[in-house]
Amino acid sequence: GAVVSQHPSRVICKSGTSVKIECRSLDFQATTMFWYRQFPKQSLMLMATSNEGSKATYEQGVEKDKFLINHASLTLSTLTVTSAHPEDSSFYICSADTDTGDEQYFGPGTRLTVT
Amino acid sequence: GENVEQHPSTLSVQEGDSAVIKCTYSDSASNYFPWYKQELGKRPQLIIDIRSNVGEKKDQRIAVTLNKTAKHFSLHITETQPEDSAVYFCAASIPNFGNEKLTFGTGTRLTIIP
Repeated sequence: GAVVSQHPSRVICKSGTSVKIECRSLDFQATTMFWYRQFPKQSLMLMATSNEGSKATYEQGVEKDKFLINHASLTLSTLTVTSAHPEDSSFYICSADTDTGDEQYFGPGTRLTVT
Repeated sequence: GENVEQHPSTLSVQEGDSAVIKCTYSDSASNYFPWYKQELGKRPQLIIDIRSNVGEKKDQRIAVTLNKTAKHFSLHITETQPEDSAVYFCAASIPNFGNEKLTFGTGTRLTIIP
């Protein structure tokens, strides 16, 4: 099946710094990737939809200048959390879909802790 | 936009019994309904999905039913086992020219009691 990787799996950073998270589709080309945030004991909340070669579409309430998304190739999308604060601490998960179906394939997630 | 409600939020079932989780959606244009199982700290894993042109789908101990008129769909797990313990999420998506995004339910924490 389709495999999606994420890096890093865990990251701890200091308040005010920026963190980049990578999402890769390993064995398929992903024209569309999705970024989710999941707080403890809560559901997955879509942050943005990322299309290769174009600007990401952000969900209402998500600051595009704080959560920078780049989808420069068909296998890689990156999420940069800029000027991170403790309230940004969360589990960030990406997913990708193929051109042939509705199913989304999820990455293993990145646990971000901002101190 | 789409809104998905999920019930119950927690469910405890004796091993061997059946578990049922229910979801409702708001947008009649939704046409794809996946169910995910998520273990603590792990990625969501697709366990079964159904499309709007089908009323029921079964895969071994897992089945999903869809009622388009009522806009609700349910997950049924039979002969539950301890390894079924996890958080389960339903989701729905609306056709959008290749950019179909999923709206998730709030999740159900299923505990199987040995």
